[in-house]
Amino acid sequence: AQKITQTQPGMFVQEKEAVTLDCTYDTSDQSYGLFWYKQPSSGEMIFLIYQGSYDEQNATEGRYSLNFQKARKSANLVISASQLGDSAMYFCAMRGRNSNYQLIWGAGTKLIIKP
Amino acid sequence: DTEVTQTPKHLVMGMTNKKSLKCEQHMGHRAMYWYKQKAKKPPELMFVYSYEKLSINESVPSRFSPECPNSSLLNLHLHALQPEDSALYLCASSQETQGAGTEAFFGQGTRLTVV
Repeated sequence: AQKITQTQPGMFVQEKEAVTLDCTYDTSDQSYGLFWYKQPSSGEMIFLIYQGSYDEQNATEGRYSLNFQKARKSANLVISASQLGDSAMYFCAMRGRNSNYQLIWGAGTKLIIKP
Repeated sequence: DTEVTQTPKHLVMGMTNKKSLKCEQHMGHRAMYWYKQKAKKPPELMFVYSYEKLSINESVPSRFSPECPNSSLLNLHLHALQPEDSALYLCASSQETQGAGTEAFFGQGTRLTVV
């Protein structure tokens, strides 16, 4: 079965600190993709970063990086130097053949950045 | 340009009304999606269109009727909705439906309230 687990329902982080959002996954697919999305209170779902199962390097996009540990089936999102605008809901998602290539979503983590 | 545009942003409708949600993308994507999202939950897939043909219907009640007039447009026709249908409706598009590495881009969503 395909499953994404985000164990942190909510997190408070001081502005300018780095933050790690946890994501573990379960799949029997050999080829799969892992995604992180940000959803501010406005509702838009914003694509942040992608990691392919065969990628040997961790993905990075600006202040976002994905700490991919394949053997542990984890794909944690790291946000460096957090900003007030990073306050949002963050979803980890996965896509692979066993889900008919549709996104399987985690429950999400609500991140609040404190000034 | 990674923009998916949804209209309207907010909609209040009575249970006997007929309304439509619209979604547009100009990225040349051949796959388009409708999702329903309740507060503090991840999105739930409703419909998938691939090359303008309906490829997935996740057992959605017939009071929701999707339509894909062309490769850039996706509509969701609403009729005789129930209060429990109140939610954020998200449209998304991707280059294709197959492939583990295909990221989906989302619109800002329509916040629907059924009264």
